[in-house]
Order: sequence, then structure tokens, then C-alpha cells
Amino acid sequence: NAGVTQTPKFQVLKTGQSMTLQCAQDMNHEYMSWYRQDPGMGLRLIHYSVGAGITDQGEVPNGYNVSRSTTEDFPLRLLSAAPSQTSVYFCASRLLGGAEAFFGQGTRLTVV
Amino acid sequence: AQRVTQPEKLLSVFKGAPVELKCNYSYSGSPELFWYVQYSRQRLQLLLRHISRESIKGFTADLNKGETSFHLKKPFAQEEDSAMYYCAAEGNQGGKLIFGQGTELSVKP
Repeated sequence: NAGVTQTPKFQVLKTGQSMTLQCAQDMNHEYMSWYRQDPGMGLRLIHYSVGAGITDQGEVPNGYNVSRSTTEDFPLRLLSAAPSQTSVYFCASRLLGGAEAFFGQGTRLTVV
Repeated sequence: AQRVTQPEKLLSVFKGAPVELKCNYSYSGSPELFWYVQYSRQRLQLLLRHISRESIKGFTADLNKGETSFHLKKPFAQEEDSAMYYCAAEGNQGGKLIFGQGTELSVKP
């Protein structure tokens, strides 16, 4: 099993560019989520999904879009990148109801 | 609002000393509570969860519903415990998993 796979590992964007961070899991987990990790701020939830076709906003959703067309994939889209979106992004998946979350290796994004 | 608070950004102790990483939560109802750990250059991973009432790598966590706290403890710290520790909570509705700000634990020889 590959677990949770994120691509790319590193990305540099110019302000105003768009891009999609990919996340895939092969564990048939209902729940998938995206977090950003910033020094002193911990992990903040951007968007999450409890199943295909269902998404909801987390703590810091502005500037990001998501969709969940399949159980396996949960891409995160930045429509117009801003320097404030420079961060490390983590995707996670889990079964619902108190189960362990499995994380991807992270994507380090720099917006210049 | 649902919130998880870790008041200490950095905790530095010597090897063999006791360790307590603090976590407080603000949730309606009874959330599920977790501790996650991120070692250097490794993925974030589950350390322990309240529902299992287990001890992992010598760590335990006590739930105090009156104080809404879930502090992580270890009686004798080891250098390999140096890492970033995150407290997390899942509410009764929707499965949303919220993390605290994280505490960096540094264990000195």
C-alpha cells in the first residue's frame, strides 16, 4: 500500500499563478483533508471531505478550492497564488469515528 | 467555536527528566482526543488516542473533562523523544479533525 501520496514535494509559484496540489490515498478512507503548517500556527484545516461529492470548509478556506469526485483523490487548487499562501501543505486521510489519520509527506510551496 | 490550544511553543528538558505537554480543548459534547508526533524528516503520525487508553513509547495522556485538558506525560524523557507534538480533537459531528499549535520538545543530553 502506498498510503497517502502528495505531489509535488516542492513548488515555487509567482504571485497570481494557479496550481493544483494532488493528494491520493489507497486505503478506501472516507475522510480526506488538507492542512497548512506555519511556524507558531500549527496545523490549520483548509478544507475537508467526508466522502465523494461532499466537501466543507475548514478554519482557513479562503484562496483555496477543493473537489472530491472519487474516494481516492482530493486535489487542492490555488486559483491565484499570494505570498501569504507560502507554507507547507499536508494531506491526510482516515476512517470516520475516532480513527487514526494518515498523512502525506507534505508539499513545500513558496509564492514569490 | 471548536478549538485546541497548546500553550507552550517550546519545551526543553534534560534526558531523564519528566515531561508534560499541555493541551486544552474547547468543544461542545465529548470530542475524541489524539496526540500526533512529527519527528525530524518524517511524516506526522499518531502517537496515542484517548479512546485506546494506551501507553506508547512511555507516553500517556490523561483526559480531565472538568478542566477540558488532555495533557501528554512521560516520566523519563529520552533524546529520541525530541520532536514536534500536536494535540488534536474530533467533534461528534462531521468528523472534522482540528489540531493545536504544536509544542516542540527538545530533550538535551
